[in-house]
Amino acid sequence: GNSVTQMEGPVTLSEEAFLTINCTYTATGYPSLFWYVQYPGEGLQLLLKATKADDKGSNKGFEATYRKETTSFHLEKGSVQVSDSAVYFCALSGGETSGSRLTFGEGTQLTVNP
Amino acid sequence: EPEVTQTPSHQVTQMGQEVILRCVPISNHLYFYWYRQILGQKVEFLVSFYNNEISEKSEIFDDQFSVERPDGSNFTLKIRSTKLEDSAMYFCASSPGLVGTGELFFGEGSRLTVL
Repeated sequence: GNSVTQMEGPVTLSEEAFLTINCTYTATGYPSLFWYVQYPGEGLQLLLKATKADDKGSNKGFEATYRKETTSFHLEKGSVQVSDSAVYFCALSGGETSGSRLTFGEGTQLTVNP
Repeated sequence: EPEVTQTPSHQVTQMGQEVILRCVPISNHLYFYWYRQILGQKVEFLVSFYNNEISEKSEIFDDQFSVERPDGSNFTLKIRSTKLEDSAMYFCASSPGLVGTGELFFGEGSRLTVL
């Protein structure tokens, strides 16, 4: 079945550092890929998405490229801020399952220190 | 800004008791979902609901779980006889269309503790 694997966390960075959170997936067909973010005390929010191979999703300075050849969707940001501290979830939908469910990775806790 | 709201934020119950978790999805959304996250584990899909019926459910969603949309605004998850392993954060979500075509909007979660 579908599965998503994220890099083991937590991740601690200094402000303005470069961020990469790795995400790889297993799915048949052509899933859609997502990054969700959960700020403290809030629900999960969509950060960015990509629906086909080589698409790049971007939002708030974050980027991720849908790489079918490596089955990856790594999240990057060139210069993190303290306000980026949150839990980041990679997810997919579709593939061999119907379009009504998201399959999530483990989540990566990011802490950015001033 | 419209949001998904969930109540209660935290519920403590005894094993074997019935629990109802409540959600108010965004008003013009058509698809509703429940997910859960056991502490330290992944967020897992439980069930999706569309047009007043379950459209998909996971292996976790067995006979002790049920969902209902009792009126035009609420969406509830009932656990008939809670077990220790049901302790988790339960997230409600809604979306205007199928998840692959757009985003899910999540509530803040209801933490269930079964003693």
